[in-house]
Amino acid sequence: GAGVSQSPSNKVTEKGKDVELRCDPISGHTALYWYRQSLGQGLEFLIYFQGNSAPDKSGLPSDRFSAERTGGSVSTLTIQRTQQEDSAVYLCASSLEQGRMDEQYFGPGTRLTVT
Amino acid sequence: DAKTTQPPSMDCAEGRAANLPCNHSTISGNEYVYWYRQIHSQGPQYIIHGLKNNETNEMASLIITEDRKSSTLILPHATLRDTAVYYCIVRDRSNDYKLSFGAGTTVTVRA
Repeated sequence: GAGVSQSPSNKVTEKGKDVELRCDPISGHTALYWYRQSLGQGLEFLIYFQGNSAPDKSGLPSDRFSAERTGGSVSTLTIQRTQQEDSAVYLCASSLEQGRMDEQYFGPGTRLTVT
Repeated sequence: DAKTTQPPSMDCAEGRAANLPCNHSTISGNEYVYWYRQIHSQGPQYIIHGLKNNETNEMASLIITEDRKSSTLILPHATLRDTAVYYCIVRDRSNDYKLSFGAGTTVTVRA
C-alpha cells in the first residue's frame, strides 16, 4: 500500500514569506506527527495529532508555526514569516494508534530552504 | 528517557554481518530499546525493538544483555543498501510518542 507522502519535496522561499507543507498519512492511521531535522542535527518533535483529541503542540518552536489536520487525515504545517533558521527537512510520520511506537512510518520529507 | 551511546561510525563488508553496539546503562524497567535507521535523503525507518528478550525480524536481530544496559543490532548479511545512519533509542512505549535521535552510528557497507 501507499506510504506516507509529503509535498512539496523541496521548497525554496524568501525570508518573510509564508509556506505550507502537506502530509498525507497512511490510510487508517489515526496518529500523525511532524518533526524537523536540521542539517547534521537530530530529530526535533514539533506536533502530534491523535484522532479527535487536542493536538500536542509542545514542540512548535514559535507562534509562527501552526498545523492542522482535516478530517482526521491530511495535515498541513504552516510557517508564517519564514526565517533562515527555519531551513530544515520537515518530516511527517503516521502510526496506527498512539502507543504503537514500532509503527511510526515516515514520509520522505520536505526540504525547506529560506533565502 | 535514558540516554544511549553509540560509536560514531563503522564500516562493514558487503555480505558480512554488521554488529552495531549501543550502551544504555541508565535504562529503566519499563523502557524499550528501539532501532531506527535513516538512509541519505530519506525519512527514518523503523527496524526493530525489544524489552529484554532477543528479537528477530526480516530486517535484523536485536540482542539485549541480561542486565539490559547494552544491546547489539545485527544486520546478518549487509548490502550496499544498508548504508545509513543507525539510531538506538530507549523509551517508555506506553506514554512517550516523541521520537528523538542522537548522533547515531554511520554505517558504510563496502563492496
